[in-house]
Amino acid sequence: EPEVTQTPSHQVTQMGQEVILRCVPISNHLYFYWYRQILGQKVEFLVSFYNNEISEKSEIFDDQFSVERPDGSNFTLKIRSTKLEDSAMYFCASSGGFQPQHFGDGTRLSIL
Amino acid sequence: DQQVKQNSPSLSVQEGRISILNCDYTNSMFDYFLWYKKYPAEGPTFLISISSIKDKNEDGRFTVFLNKSAKHLSLHIVPSQPGDSAVYFCAASALGETSGSRLTFGEGTQLTVNP
Repeated sequence: EPEVTQTPSHQVTQMGQEVILRCVPISNHLYFYWYRQILGQKVEFLVSFYNNEISEKSEIFDDQFSVERPDGSNFTLKIRSTKLEDSAMYFCASSGGFQPQHFGDGTRLSIL
Repeated sequence: DQQVKQNSPSLSVQEGRISILNCDYTNSMFDYFLWYKKYPAEGPTFLISISSIKDKNEDGRFTVFLNKSAKHLSLHIVPSQPGDSAVYFCAASALGETSGSRLTFGEGTQLTVNP
């Protein structure tokens, strides 16, 4: 069964550094998403992406965040200058225009 | 964000019995609801969904019930199996099934099925 893959599984970064999280969505899907889960908290929506542009973003997704689909397969989340509170599990998801969204196994981001 | 709430952080049942997981929501705009299962070190896996035009959807051992007037949904697992032990998330979406709209998640309920 097709799946969403995310790399790396764990990323450790110094505060203030830039980090890029990578995702390969399911190949025929049209909608792409990023969510995050801070330890002990709910899974929170960050951004959705469709037709090469952001279709929706949450209040969490400020100017420090950006998303890109650099080629036909990858979907990336960049955090420009990481803060301690960015430490979380980041999940990529994709859907074919219909729900449900299918999730990857996540990248654990640790900011030191 | 209290729009979707799962009030029970954990549930323990015996193998073969019924597991009932509950979820409440407050946003009247939600019209599509999903249940995800999550094992440690994995992402959420889609389990079953229901549109607001229905009050029940069944898939094998899993049934989801929706009570719109009470803004409540539940997931029934019958019979429960040890492999069902996982965290179960309730999620909700506005704008229906045919859209890429965001999911709003509940806190999750840890289900443990004892052999």
